[in-house]
Amino acid sequence: AQSVSQHNHHVILSEAASLELGCNYSYGGTVNLFWYVQYPGQHLQLLLKYFSGDPLVKGIKGFEAEFIKSKFSFNLRKPSVQWSDTAEYFCAVTPGQAGTALIFGKGTTLSVSS
Amino acid sequence: GAGVSQSPSNKVTEKGKDVELRCDPISGHTALYWYRQSLGQGLEFLIYFQGNSAPDKSGLPSDRFSAERTGGSVSTLTIQRTQQEDSAVYLCASSRYIDPLIGYNEQFFGPGTRLTVL
Repeated sequence: AQSVSQHNHHVILSEAASLELGCNYSYGGTVNLFWYVQYPGQHLQLLLKYFSGDPLVKGIKGFEAEFIKSKFSFNLRKPSVQWSDTAEYFCAVTPGQAGTALIFGKGTTLSVSS
Repeated sequence: GAGVSQSPSNKVTEKGKDVELRCDPISGHTALYWYRQSLGQGLEFLIYFQGNSAPDKSGLPSDRFSAERTGGSVSTLTIQRTQQEDSAVYLCASSRYIDPLIGYNEQFFGPGTRLTVL
């Protein structure tokens, strides 16, 4: 069965520190990859997505992620975090075909102290 | 509407009772998904509707769970004979028509319904 693993359950950083959240998936075929963010008390929002093309994708709020096919990874990065980045981050995948549901990782809670 | 809406926002029920959760997708979105977010389990897919096609029910955890989508718009998730392990946040998402050449359209999530089974 397809699955998504997020390596870090809880990450604590100071403002201006660099961030990298790991995500690995298990699926051998073409995939679509996503990072979603859930700020405290808010809906899940799409941070960035990868369908095809340039494996380095840029999202909102200065986030980026790199798809490394050989490693089945899609790690999320931000060079300098802010207190407002405190949230829960979910990596998700769908197989490369129409109309399938998202398979989510268990999420990583990021706490940024000012 | 501006976004996906769900009601109620919170529901507290007693073990053994039936509950109904409602989702109003974004107007014009033909695909609708239900997910469950619970402690320790993360976000799990439950059921998916796309237009008039038969729904994908592969994520429903038991036959106590069912969902309908009337007129291709509003959806209701029903949980019969609720159990304490059903306590979770139930999320609904919708997306535009999925063009097979594109393969995927972004899913927009609602605020969720927090279900507590006592």
